[in-house]
Amino acid sequence: EVQLVESGGGLVQPGRSLRLSCAASGFTFDDYAMHWVRQVPGKGLEWVSGISWNSGTLGYADSVKGRFTISRDNAKDSLYLQMNGLRPEDTALYYCAKASGTTLRGAYADWGQGTLVTVSS
Amino acid sequence: QSALTQPASVSGSPGQSITISCTGTSSDVGGYTYVSWYQQHPGKAPKLMIYDVSQRPSGVSNRFSGSRSGNTASLTISGLQAEDEADYYCTSYTSSITWLFGGGTKLTVL
Repeated sequence: EVQLVESGGGLVQPGRSLRLSCAASGFTFDDYAMHWVRQVPGKGLEWVSGISWNSGTLGYADSVKGRFTISRDNAKDSLYLQMNGLRPEDTALYYCAKASGTTLRGAYADWGQGTLVTVSS
Repeated sequence: QSALTQPASVSGSPGQSITISCTGTSSDVGGYTYVSWYQQHPGKAPKLMIYDVSQRPSGVSNRFSGSRSGNTASLTISGLQAEDEADYYCTSYTSSITWLFGGGTKLTVL
């Protein structure tokens, strides 16, 4: 059974940094691309960033480009999102999602339960 | 990049069929077959219902189907059931190596 468990969320002041983690199990992690998708409570979904199976291709939404960095450690079956220069509009539930293939083009076949990030002074 | 356009809400009675549209551009919906649909019940993570425009993952009811015409993709749910009441989101891969979501559609089963 695929399991994706996000962690690292919390309350942070504007301008500060936070690092999210996603621990994967139940599948061969380095066979799949991975994504981060966020959702403001009560609002819609927004794709944040994606990374191919070997970290060779990275993608970022315009809203986070230059501030967020996605990475993965295939030896540890883990996905990360380093978030710098956080803004109040980054407040959201952040989901880790497993793609259906090795590239960023595949749909998000499995999702974690999310970790909440709140940016406020 | 602007979000894909979906109707804010649709409704239907049990047993009826409904269709949710998702309009983009030739740089996303119209340019790639990487269009997918997600169902989200309140307080739950999204669930993949359709991928690659019209493919159904294993375990998803065949009452759900997807299609595309030009820059508009569509999700059709036939034989509506109470359990189908949820939010539905479309998403498409884009020419910028990014993904765009639609704003979401709330489906109400009357």
